[in-house]
Amino acid sequence: SQQGEEDPQALSIQEGENATMNCSYKTSINNLQWYRQNSGRGLVHLILIRSNEREKHSGRLRVTLDTSKKSSSLLITASRAADTASYFCATTEFTGGGNKLTFGTGTQLKVEL
Amino acid sequence: DAGVIQSPRHEVTEMGQEVTLRCKPISGHNSLFWYRQTMMRGLELLIYFNNNVPIDDSGMPEDRFSAKMPNASFSTLKIQPSEPRDSAVYFCASSLNGNEQFFGPGTRLTVL
Repeated sequence: SQQGEEDPQALSIQEGENATMNCSYKTSINNLQWYRQNSGRGLVHLILIRSNEREKHSGRLRVTLDTSKKSSSLLITASRAADTASYFCATTEFTGGGNKLTFGTGTQLKVEL
Repeated sequence: DAGVIQSPRHEVTEMGQEVTLRCKPISGHNSLFWYRQTMMRGLELLIYFNNNVPIDDSGMPEDRFSAKMPNASFSTLKIQPSEPRDSAVYFCASSLNGNEQFFGPGTRLTVL
């Protein structure tokens, strides 16, 4: 089963608006990552937040992590048409031999001009 | 840096044929991951290697699937015999010390 579940499954906004995506997970984690996937392409890493961090920023991205609620959110401010993509959260659990990522179901974001 | 390289980019084959997907990870990375992505099941981890050793193959769907990593710069994912339900995009990713993963462009497999 998917460790991470994103909400909403799809989001459509106008250029310049903010986009917020949420992710919930089930087990204890080492860190949580967000990835973007453009149609027909591989995933691209956006940002990593460790389990002892609560908030992290990178450019127009803001990620929060609430380990008590087992949830994270990704905020994209001042969205652009180029932000149109699918966004996935992924949690890392240490398995002894290496770190294993478990991806959520993704949020499809469409930014319209 | 060329990034993760996968070949072929597209593969169309007939049911029952053997399919071999190839991956060259980023030089210096010590972990390699194989994923499968479909509309129905999303992104699934099939198997991953750490320092060329398979660590977790619990995601490999059945014995028709096998993966090898003979050295730090090459891995293969083989399906024999292939079936139509194996049609998907297969991604290879690599990472250094288990943090962010770098994905290849994927191989789109169609089994007729």
